[in-house]
Amino acid sequence: NAGVTQTPKFQVLKTGQSMTLQCAQDMNHEYMSWYRQDPGMGLRLIHYSVGAGITDQGEVPNGYNVSRSTTEDFPLRLLSAAPSQTSVYFCASQDYSYEQYFGPGTRLTVT
Amino acid sequence: AQSVTQLGSHVSVSEGALVLLRCNYSSSVPPYLFWYVQYPNQGLQLLLKYTSAATLVKGINGFEAEFKKSETSFHLTKPSAHMSDAAEYFCAVRAGGNKLVFGAGTILRVKS
Repeated sequence: NAGVTQTPKFQVLKTGQSMTLQCAQDMNHEYMSWYRQDPGMGLRLIHYSVGAGITDQGEVPNGYNVSRSTTEDFPLRLLSAAPSQTSVYFCASQDYSYEQYFGPGTRLTVT
Repeated sequence: AQSVTQLGSHVSVSEGALVLLRCNYSSSVPPYLFWYVQYPNQGLQLLLKYTSAATLVKGINGFEAEFKKSETSFHLTKPSAHMSDAAEYFCAVRAGGNKLVFGAGTILRVKS
């Protein structure tokens, strides 16, 4: 099992550009989520999904969109990148005991 | 609302000394509690979890944590620190629905 995979590992964007961060899991988990990690702030929930076709906003959803067309994939879209979105982004899937499995992260810099 | 407080953003110990990382939580639902570790430039990895079974939970790499309901605490300990334990540690609690709420993290430094 590959677990949770994320691409790309690194990305540099200019202000106003858009991009999609990819996330996939092969554990057949219904629940998936996206977090951003900033120094001293822990992980903050951006969006989450409880199953294919169902998504909802987390703590910091502004500037991000998600969709969940399949159980496996949960992409995160940045609509118009801003310097405030410079961060490390983690995707995670969750099993029935609420344990979350994290991907390796995407380090995004917006200039 | 559920929340997690980790006391001390940085903790420094000598190699071989006791490691104690503090976590207090608030939860309006039966708590599921987790400790994750993050090594530099990596994702988060589960250390241990409490899911309403034994209150003393043993995890990987010699770490353990004790759930104390009366103190709403879930502190992480290890009897003897090793250089390889240097990392950032996150405590998390189940929130409403399926969500987890994470603490701000504690960076552990191990001195030789």
